[in-house]
Amino acid sequence: QSVLTQPPSASGTPGQRVTISCSGSSSNIGSNYVYWYQQLPGTAPKLLIYKNNQRPSGVPDRFSGSKSDTSASLAISGLRSEDEANYYCSAWDGSLNNWVFGGGTKLTVL
Amino acid sequence: EVQLVESGGRLVQPGGSLRLSCAASGFTFSSHWMTWVRQAPGKGLEWVANIKQDGSEKNYVDSVKGRFTISRDNAKNSMYLQLDSLGTEDTAVYYCAREARLRGGFDLWGQGTLVTVSS
Repeated sequence: QSVLTQPPSASGTPGQRVTISCSGSSSNIGSNYVYWYQQLPGTAPKLLIYKNNQRPSGVPDRFSGSKSDTSASLAISGLRSEDEANYYCSAWDGSLNNWVFGGGTKLTVL
Repeated sequence: EVQLVESGGRLVQPGGSLRLSCAASGFTFSSHWMTWVRQAPGKGLEWVANIKQDGSEKNYVDSVKGRFTISRDNAKNSMYLQLDSLGTEDTAVYYCAREARLRGGFDLWGQGTLVTVSS
């Protein structure tokens, strides 16, 4: 049981916009930044979004993040086949003194 | 080249011990918090432990407290994870990751090393 809650799966067709939600609590998302990671099959995770809505250099602007209270979302617009991956949200939890992750969302491009 | 390379993963029996290493290169290792994250086969990411730049502060997930020990040697640009009293639930790929100084989060990952706990 993950501290952050994500839907296990999401899907869309090429060109569509999909969103992935991440729900937490006041001790993590509610009081700290949210980060999103993309994990392509068989590879290490990659930082996709930092500090709620910032993109590292090299990450396409098709990817965007947002946060409201104790929830966050990752949006992917103009969906492409290469976006098929697992996506994880993460935040620091001040009560646990731990980083916590969501359970991950497997994105399928139909 | 900026990179992290893990090593030390192998098959170990329940109750056994193992030491994982993470070698850093291409950046100022001593300026960063460092982290271990693991991923059981077919499962999601689980943060395991982190260590401050000078090693003076360490944090662990509850499930490994008292069994795992994180350490670092800045002179060798290396981080370690000592795994003791291993159980089958510790079977996973173990990744080391760099915590970004200004951005936060984990902006550099190694390729991972597989630890298999089985009799």
